[in-house]
Amino acid sequence: NAGVTQTPKFQVLKTGQSMTLQCAQDMNHEYMSWYRQDPGMGLRLIHYSVGAGITDQGEVPNGYNVSRSTTEDFPLRLLSAAPSQTSVYFCASSYLGQGKADTQYFGPGTRLTVL
Amino acid sequence: GENVEQHPSTLSVQEGDSAVIKCTYSDSASNYFPWYKQELGKGPQLIIDIRSNVGEKKDQRIAVTLNKTAKHFSLHITETQPEDSAVYFCAASGYSSASKIIFGSGTRLSIRP
Repeated sequence: NAGVTQTPKFQVLKTGQSMTLQCAQDMNHEYMSWYRQDPGMGLRLIHYSVGAGITDQGEVPNGYNVSRSTTEDFPLRLLSAAPSQTSVYFCASSYLGQGKADTQYFGPGTRLTVL
Repeated sequence: GENVEQHPSTLSVQEGDSAVIKCTYSDSASNYFPWYKQELGKGPQLIIDIRSNVGEKKDQRIAVTLNKTAKHFSLHITETQPEDSAVYFCAASGYSSASKIIFGSGTRLSIRP
């Protein structure tokens, strides 16, 4: 199993550009999520999904869109990048035990810089 | 919603000594409390977790304690080794929003030789 994979590993954007961060998992996990990690602020939840066709907002959803058309993939879209979105982005997945998220498996991260 | 506070933000201990990291949570209905370790350049990895029906859990040199009344939980690492140097995160999952796992701000642990 490859686990959770993320692409790209690094990305530099100009303000106003759009892009999609890719996330895929091969563990048949129902639950997938996106976090951003900023110095001194830990991991903040952006969006999450409990299954194909179902998404919901986390702590900091503004400026980001997600969709979940398959169990395996959970892309994160930045429609108009801003310098405040400079961060390291992590995707994670887990089983849902009795409807609750369990041990989360994290991808290696994408380091995004917005100029 | 759930809010998780973590202290200290940095911790330096002598090799062989113990390290303790503390977290508090706000949602009294939270029932799942994992701890993650993040090494440089990598994603976080689960090291231990505890559920609200248990007060303490141990796994070799690592232990976690939970005080539901006070709404706080702690990570204890004994006989610290150089490979314990990393950033540690606590997290909590609320019963009312069981699919949201909210993280603390992290503790950078350094082990002095």
